[in-house]
Amino acid sequence: GNSVTQMEGPVTLSEEAFLTINCTYTATGYPSLFWYVQYPGEGLQLLLKATKADDKGSNKGFEATYRKETTSFHLEKGSVQVSDSAVYFCALSAPGGTYKYIFGTGTRLKVLA
Amino acid sequence: DTEVTQTPKHLVMGMTNKKSLKCEQHMGHRAMYWYKQKAKKPPELMFVYSYEKLSINESVPSRFSPECPNSSLLNLHLHALQPEDSALYLCASSQGLAGFVSSYNEQFFGPGTRLTVL
Repeated sequence: GNSVTQMEGPVTLSEEAFLTINCTYTATGYPSLFWYVQYPGEGLQLLLKATKADDKGSNKGFEATYRKETTSFHLEKGSVQVSDSAVYFCALSAPGGTYKYIFGTGTRLKVLA
Repeated sequence: DTEVTQTPKHLVMGMTNKKSLKCEQHMGHRAMYWYKQKAKKPPELMFVYSYEKLSINESVPSRFSPECPNSSLLNLHLHALQPEDSALYLCASSQGLAGFVSSYNEQFFGPGTRLTVL
């Protein structure tokens, strides 16, 4: 079946540090891949997405590349800010008429000033 | 308008109460979803509506009753809940459910209703 594996948190970084949050997936066919961010007390916001192999999604300094060969979609940011402190969810949407999102377990990021 | 709104923001109810959660979107989306999210966990899908018809019920207890009065509105009626039902309830919408067009699956989430059952 389809699944998403996300690195365990929490991740604690100093401001301006480089961020990587690993996400790997298992799916048949070519799923769409998403990163969502959830700030404390809020709903999920779409951060970026990629719909086919080698696509790079980017938004607000965050990037992730859809790697079919390694079945990965790692989230990166070159210089984190305190305001990036949140929980990050990797998700996939399987092809072929399937509507369900498969979420990773979420990674909590804490950025210290 | 690219927003999904949910009311109320917070809700406290007793186990014998009846209450409703409301979700609204004006993006012309034809699929709407209810999720339940417990602390430090990812959202769990509860219900999916497509073109105002219930497409999926993920074996949710009958004390949760969804309703989709029109294409913009989604309700979740609550009755005789248990304390373990306390959670953040999230609504989401997408253009549709056609998995062959990947953009159709992109889900937009509301801010959620924080429910506490006493």
